[in-house]
Amino acid sequence: SQTIHQWPATLVQPVGSPLSLECTVEGTSNPNLYWYRQAAGRGLQLLFYSVGIGQISSEVPQNLSASRPQDRQFILSSKKLLLSDSGFYLCAWSDGLAGLIQYFGAGTRLSVL
Amino acid sequence: KQEVTQIPAALSVPEGENLVLNCSFTDSAIYNLQWFRQDPGKGLTSLLLIQSSQREQTSGRLNASLDKSSGRSTLYIAASQPGDSATYLCAVQYLFSGSARQLTFGSGTQLTVLP
Repeated sequence: SQTIHQWPATLVQPVGSPLSLECTVEGTSNPNLYWYRQAAGRGLQLLFYSVGIGQISSEVPQNLSASRPQDRQFILSSKKLLLSDSGFYLCAWSDGLAGLIQYFGAGTRLSVL
Repeated sequence: KQEVTQIPAALSVPEGENLVLNCSFTDSAIYNLQWFRQDPGKGLTSLLLIQSSQREQTSGRLNASLDKSSGRSTLYIAASQPGDSATYLCAVQYLFSGSARQLTFGSGTQLTVLP
């Protein structure tokens, strides 16, 4: 069966520090991968998605970047965090062919102070 | 702009009551619509997926309907229980959502079922 792992679960970082959130998927090949952000009182916003290794599409211009160094690994990064980067970050995957249902990780709560 | 709206933002009901959550979308050219559940501080769990050619889907006490022409979907929860308390999110996969079939989410309805 397929599983998705996201870490860390919570993170407190000072403004201006770097960020690296990691997401890995097991039990499937060539998945579509997604990074979402959920800010307080707001809906889920798609940040990045990837249909293959090294292929990253950005939905919203921002202080963040994403990379997919391996088929089932998706990384969200920032060189210098801003206060506005605080939020709940969710990674998700879907089947690369059918892509109907997205399966979500448990999320990372990021607080930038 | 393709948007998804959920009303109400919050709902509180006594245990045992039947309830309806609403979702509306601006563009009828959809591939499918999904309802998710999110517990506080947790990820999302897919509840029901309705393909654009379908009118409804059922799973246990949950029934989701889809009316593409009016741009609406409802999630009906029968005989609500305190364990149903969570935020319910509606998400639409639009036809022209790109190769990765991105989802457009509503902002959710926070449901509280009182014992």
